Amino acid sequence: NAGVTQTPKFQVLKTGQSMTLQCAQDMNHEYMSWYRQDPGMGLRLIHYSVGAGITDQGEVPNGYNVSRSTTEDFPLRLLSAAPSQTSVYFCASRLHETEAFFGQGTRLTVV
Amino acid sequence: AQRVTQPEKLLSVFKGAPVELKCNYSYSGSPELFWYVQYSRQRLQLLLRHISRESIKGFTADLNKGETSFHLKKPFAQEEDSAMYYCALWGQGGKLIFGQGTELSVKP
Repeated sequence: NAGVTQTPKFQVLKTGQSMTLQCAQDMNHEYMSWYRQDPGMGLRLIHYSVGAGITDQGEVPNGYNVSRSTTEDFPLRLLSAAPSQTSVYFCASRLHETEAFFGQGTRLTVV
Repeated sequence: AQRVTQPEKLLSVFKGAPVELKCNYSYSGSPELFWYVQYSRQRLQLLLRHISRESIKGFTADLNKGETSFHLKKPFAQEEDSAMYYCALWGQGGKLIFGQGTELSVKP
C-alpha cells in the first residue's frame, strides 16, 4: 500500500491563478479531509468527505472547492489563489473512528 | 461547540526532565481523542489514542472527563522527542479536529 499520496510537494502560484492539489489513498478509507497548517494556528480543516459523492465544509472553506467522485481521490481546488492561501496543505484519510493517515504535505506559495 | 485547545505554543525542557503537554477539549458526549506527532515538518503520525490505553515511546495520556483534558506525559524526555505535538478530537459528523499544536524542544 502506498498510503496517502499528495501531489505536488511544492508549488508556487501567482495571485489569481487556479490549481488543483491531488490526494489519493489506496486503503479503501471512507473519510478523507484537507487541512492547512500555518504557524501558531495548528491544522485547520478546510473540507472533508465521509464517502464518495459526499463532501462538507470545515473551518476554513472559503476559496477552496472539493469533490469526491471516487473513494480513492479527493482533490482540492484553489479557484483564484491569494497570498493568504500560502500554507502547507495536508490530506488525510481514515476508516470510521480509527487513526488518520496523512500525506506528506504540499507546500504552496502564492506570490 | 467542538474544540481542542493546546495552551502552550512552545515547551522547552532539558533531557531527562519530565514532560507534560496540555490538551483540553470541548465536546458533548464521549470523546475520541488522539495525540499526533510531526517531526521536522514531515507528515503527521499517530502517537497514541485514548481508547487503546497504550504507551508509545514512553508517552502516556489519560482522559480526564471531569477536567475535559487529555494531557500527554513522559517521565524522562529525550532529545529525539523534539517535535510538534498535536492533540485531536474525533468530532460529530466525521470531523477530526486539531488543536493549535505544541512545539517540544528537548535540550541536551
